Amino acid sequence: SQTIHQWPATLVQPVGSPLSLECTVEGTSNPNLYWYRQAAGRGLQLLFYSVGIGQISSEVPQNLSASRPQDRQFILSSKKLLLSDSGFYLCAWSVSPPTDTQYFGPGTRLTVL
Amino acid sequence: GNSVTQMEGPVTLSEEAFLTINCTYTATGYPSLFWYVQYPGEGLQLLLKATKADDKGSNKGFEATYRKETTSFHLEKGSVQVSDSAVYFCALSNGGDYKLSFGAGTTVTVRA
Repeated sequence: SQTIHQWPATLVQPVGSPLSLECTVEGTSNPNLYWYRQAAGRGLQLLFYSVGIGQISSEVPQNLSASRPQDRQFILSSKKLLLSDSGFYLCAWSVSPPTDTQYFGPGTRLTVL
Repeated sequence: GNSVTQMEGPVTLSEEAFLTINCTYTATGYPSLFWYVQYPGEGLQLLLKATKADDKGSNKGFEATYRKETTSFHLEKGSVQVSDSAVYFCALSNGGDYKLSFGAGTTVTVRA
């Protein structure tokens, strides 16, 4: 069966510090991968998605970047965190070609102070 | 573009009460519609979905019917339990890349 992992589960970082969040998927090959952010009191916003290694599409201009160095690994990064980067970050995957169902990881709660 | 509007919470209910969470959408064509649930401290889980007009999605006692004429996908459960306390998200996908557009989420608390 397929599983999706995210780490860390929680993170507290100072403004201006770098960020690296990791997501890995097991039990499937060539998945589509997605990063979402859930800011306080708001819905989920799609940040990035990837259809393959090294292929990243950005949905919104922001302080963050994403990379996919391996087929089942998706990394969310920032060089300098802003207060507004605080939120709950969720990674998701779907089969490829994609169907209408995405499967979500447990999430990382990021607090920027 | 695509958008989802859902009833704002929080919603507090007693056990065995009837739950309705309203969801309306804006999209061209024929989107697929979803309800996801997020239990405390966890990621999102797909609760139910419907892919065409008049379809009814159902799971765990929850139901939602795809109403194209009113562009709605309201979530209902006839008798809620404490374990149903969670945040519920309405979402749609519309297009070949299957990207999801989410509503803001509705927090539901069920008291014993």
